[in-house]
Parts: sequence; C-alpha cells; structure tokens
Amino acid sequence: AQRVTQPEKLLSVFKGAPVELKCNYSYSGSPELFWYVQYSRQRLQLLLRHISRESIKGFTADLNKGETSFHLKKPFAQEEDSAMYYCALSGASGTYKYIFGTGTRLKVLA
Amino acid sequence: GAGVSQTPSNKVTEKGKYVELRCDPISGHTALYWYRQSLGQGPEFLIYFQGTGAADDSGLPNDRFFAVRPEGSVSTLKIQRTERGDSAVYLCASSKTGGTYNEQFFGPGTRLTVL
Repeated sequence: AQRVTQPEKLLSVFKGAPVELKCNYSYSGSPELFWYVQYSRQRLQLLLRHISRESIKGFTADLNKGETSFHLKKPFAQEEDSAMYYCALSGASGTYKYIFGTGTRLKVLA
Repeated sequence: GAGVSQTPSNKVTEKGKYVELRCDPISGHTALYWYRQSLGQGPEFLIYFQGTGAADDSGLPNDRFFAVRPEGSVSTLKIQRTERGDSAVYLCASSKTGGTYNEQFFGPGTRLTVL
C-alpha cells in the first residue's frame, strides 16, 4: 500500500538550531516526493520536490531509496520557518494524485 | 495571475442536506484535483479531472459524493445527504497538465461543518 509517514506531530526548536522533519514512505515503484508547507492563514504551497534537487529557503531534502525516506533539513532554523509541513508522494501513472502524510508542525522559538 | 479560488470559504449545514462546493482553477490548467482534510490529518485525495473527464475518482468515499467539471475549467463537488463525518476542509488544486512532475497549486479550501 502507498503510505507516507511523518512520525512527529510537533517539533519545537530554538532559532539558529538545526531542523530535521522526518518523512518515510511506502511505495512499490519510483515515487516522486514533495514537501509542502502551510504558513499561518495561508494556503498549502510547494516547498521543494526531490526531482529538482534544489534548496528553497535554506531547506533541502534527499531521497534515500534504501531507507525509503525523504527527510527535510535546514541547518539554522528561523522564526519565519514556523509552519505546518506536509510530505507528499506521487507516482501512480495516469492519476498523479498526491498521498500526504499527517504533517508536522514546526515551531521555532526565539 | 490569480490563484485557485474556492467558494464558499465556510459552509455550515444540517445533517441530511445537500451541498455544493465550487473550485475555480488557475486559467489554462487542465488538471484539477479535490482533496479532503480532516482535523489533524493530511489532505486525502478524492478525485482527479483531466479536462472535463474524471480520470480517477477512486478517492470518493461513497456514492453521496459526486464532482463535475463540464467545461474543463470550474469544478463543483456535490455532497448529498450530508453526515457529521463529512465535516472537513475540502481543498481543490490544479496543475498545468496531469503529470507527476507538475506542481499542484492549492486553493484556500472550503471548511464544511455538518451539524
């Protein structure tokens, strides 16, 4: 079965500390993985996708097929990073629907 | 340009009533998705349109749920005989075409409350 697991509902870190938001997936095939972010009172928006291998707002994520993980990392958290983060998987050809995890709320403390 | 819009932003209804939720995708986007997000959960896929046709409706929970996109642009999600368990935020997303690598742009959602 296709599944995305985000084990932490809430992650609190101090400003300037490193952040790692965990995401594990279950998929029999070659998935495309995404991180979406929802800031307070805003809509869900794409943060980054593994195919692009890019760094957005200082965040990076590496797809580890051996561990079936796609953890989101940032070396130095900022207060404006406080938001809800969702890991999502897409891969079934012909539909392209996203399968989302339950989300992790990141709080960056001053 | 304008993003995905959804109306109404909030809908309160009574158990057993019929509701319609509307989605206006980004102009030119051929792919449209509906998701449902219950409290404390991530968005859950309901249905995917490519143009006017429903290419995948495997996420619709039962036959009380139905969606249309008659002209390949605006879509309406219809829920008959609403139940309290239908209470959730209903999200719409669109992308340029269907495709794994095409970013889905989300609307602000419609919060449905069934009393």
